[in-house]
Amino acid sequence: QVQLVQSGAEVKKPGSSVKVSCKASGGNFNMHAISWVRQAPGQGLEWMGRIIPMLGTPIYSQNFQSRLTVTADASTSTAHMELSSLRSEDTAVYYCATGLWQNAKVGFNYYNYFSMDVWGEGTTVSVSS
Amino acid sequence: QSALTQPASVSGSPGQSITISCTGSSSDVGFSNYVSWFQQEPGKAPKLMLYDVTNRPSGVSNRFSGSKSGNTASLTISGLQAEDEAEYYCSSFTRTSTWVFGGGTKLTVL
Repeated sequence: QVQLVQSGAEVKKPGSSVKVSCKASGGNFNMHAISWVRQAPGQGLEWMGRIIPMLGTPIYSQNFQSRLTVTADASTSTAHMELSSLRSEDTAVYYCATGLWQNAKVGFNYYNYFSMDVWGEGTTVSVSS
Repeated sequence: QSALTQPASVSGSPGQSITISCTGSSSDVGFSNYVSWFQQEPGKAPKLMLYDVTNRPSGVSNRFSGSKSGNTASLTISGLQAEDEAEYYCSSFTRTSTWVFGGGTKLTVL
């Protein structure tokens, strides 16, 4: 069973960037996708983006397209999420989640489907002046 | 991508059954059978309860079941127990290879 361990809490100033790490253990890192999901205080879950280490190319939610960078280092089984131009509304708990990926057929097309089976414990990011 | 629509809250007495709906569009819920449900207790990370509409991960009680019709998916919890009290989120894989979540439903066990 894969386990995810995330980096510690961060306090940032508006306009700066934050980088959160997520280290996987107990599985084949290259066969998994790593997603990033955030949850603002008292709010719901918001999917941000994902990377499949074997494929390399990340996909981002339109809401974060210009500010989010997701990377993965297979040599250390660690994924990173960097969010730039921080504002107070970015104050949230940031989770990484992982699951196997597959080339799945839906209708007449194929998609790199990935699940979110196992979650990290979350990293609190606070943005305040 | 708009969030999926869930009722803000549902409640039930121990032993009863409840159903939580999750409505999306032909670009997400109606697009495929890749719909998942997560349970989240206060201060904890979400936990996967159902995947691919109806499948339960190992260790999840068979009191949890799922279904889908068109653009609406549903989670049913039968034989409600006090320990089921939590926030529940649906999520769907989308046509753009992203995921979208519902707004969450708070389940209260009376």
